[in-house]
Amino acid sequence: DAKTTQPTSMDCAEGRAANLPCNHSTISGNEYVYWYRQIHSQGPQYIIHGLKNNETNEMASLIITEDRKSSTLILPHATLRDTAVYYCIVRVADNTDKLIFGTGTRLQVFP
Amino acid sequence: DGGITQSPKYLFRKEGQNVTLSCEQNLNHDAMYWYRQDPGQGLRLIYYSQIVNDFQKGDIAEGYSVSREKKESFPLTVTSAQKNPTAFYLCASSTRGLPSSYEQYFGPGTRLTVT
Repeated sequence: DAKTTQPTSMDCAEGRAANLPCNHSTISGNEYVYWYRQIHSQGPQYIIHGLKNNETNEMASLIITEDRKSSTLILPHATLRDTAVYYCIVRVADNTDKLIFGTGTRLQVFP
Repeated sequence: DGGITQSPKYLFRKEGQNVTLSCEQNLNHDAMYWYRQDPGQGLRLIYYSQIVNDFQKGDIAEGYSVSREKKESFPLTVTSAQKNPTAFYLCASSTRGLPSSYEQYFGPGTRLTVT
């Protein structure tokens, strides 16, 4: 079972920041939070991941709360091409390298 | 260009036939994975392989089989025992080891329709 909870859908105006929340209240101390997105009928694309510190790359920022029970993915200036399903994943803390996907958040960016 | 290729993009089969989906990677990744995705749903893990000549069942392995004879290739066979084979199938690969640098790369997927 997925270890995360995300809203089913969100809207965002083009050019504005998109803030996608994720709850992972049962996360263990050595488990990472990963974000992927999937544009319709394509393979998922890696966005970012983190353990406990906030992370930023060219695509997005990841803010993880101090207790690590939730996180927020931030797309600073959303474009129409950011319309996709966004998956928040807690990586299983074993040696299998498995990711368990939930149903994600469908982000619709509108003009 | 380095990446993962899946072929074909669309595949049609008659019920009762086995069908093999191709997945090739030139990223020199040790681990490879097969997922299934149904409409409006997330991805579910079918099989994964962390090293050549070894593979493990995922959450929904029944009706599927795999092989890993080469590092670059991880074909998936959908057998006639799979009761609902129509789905979008995704292959992925990753390096192993440091969780801080771990990332799964996905192929473009194969959409299988069985009638």
